[in-house]
Amino acid sequence: GENVEQHPSTLSVQEGDSAVIKCTYSDSASNYFPWYKQELGKGPQLIIDIRSNVGEKKDQRIAVTLNKTAKHFSLHITETQPEDSAVYFCAASSGGYQKVTFGIGTKLQVIP
Amino acid sequence: DAGVIQSPRHEVTEMGQEVTLRCKPISGHNSLFWYRQTMMRGLELLIYFNNNVPIDDSGMPEDRFSAKMPNASFSTLKIQPSEPRDSAVYFCASSFEDSNQPQHFGDGTRLSIL
Repeated sequence: GENVEQHPSTLSVQEGDSAVIKCTYSDSASNYFPWYKQELGKGPQLIIDIRSNVGEKKDQRIAVTLNKTAKHFSLHITETQPEDSAVYFCAASSGGYQKVTFGIGTKLQVIP
Repeated sequence: DAGVIQSPRHEVTEMGQEVTLRCKPISGHNSLFWYRQTMMRGLELLIYFNNNVPIDDSGMPEDRFSAKMPNASFSTLKIQPSEPRDSAVYFCASSFEDSNQPQHFGDGTRLSIL
């Protein structure tokens, strides 16, 4: 089955700096890569996703990159703000009935 | 739009008791997922339903766990008898059945078994 590794497990940045979270996956058939943000006491919420036919996608301060050859993908947050503090999960799916495999999560702390 | 609704939000019960967690998916979604989240193991898929039919329950830890989806707008996850190691946050998520559509999560049930 799919295995998704995510790092770092914790990340502290100063407000205004950039944050980068990296993930690798094992199943070459995976073709959908969502990223979720989980705030305290809440469920994970989708923030951005990328499909295997594109290498990069951007939405305001958030961008994701995908390297299918190397089987890794990354989340980039620019101009971080205190409200970006949360746990971020990467995930990979090979479609079908949509079994999504999640990474272990990265706890991001943005220091004001 | 109403999101995925889970109840109760918190449940504290004694070992050996039956626990029932409830989920109402987003209207129109035909796929439903139950996950368990712990610090040690992260987010684990327990079971997946499509059009109210269980498709994959390979993640259900053992026979003490069971899940049902009697109709398109309701699902339950039951643990009987409960054990302290079942303590975790349980999430329900729903989505459209289509290639690579995002899953929408509820806010979870925090379960504590004493």
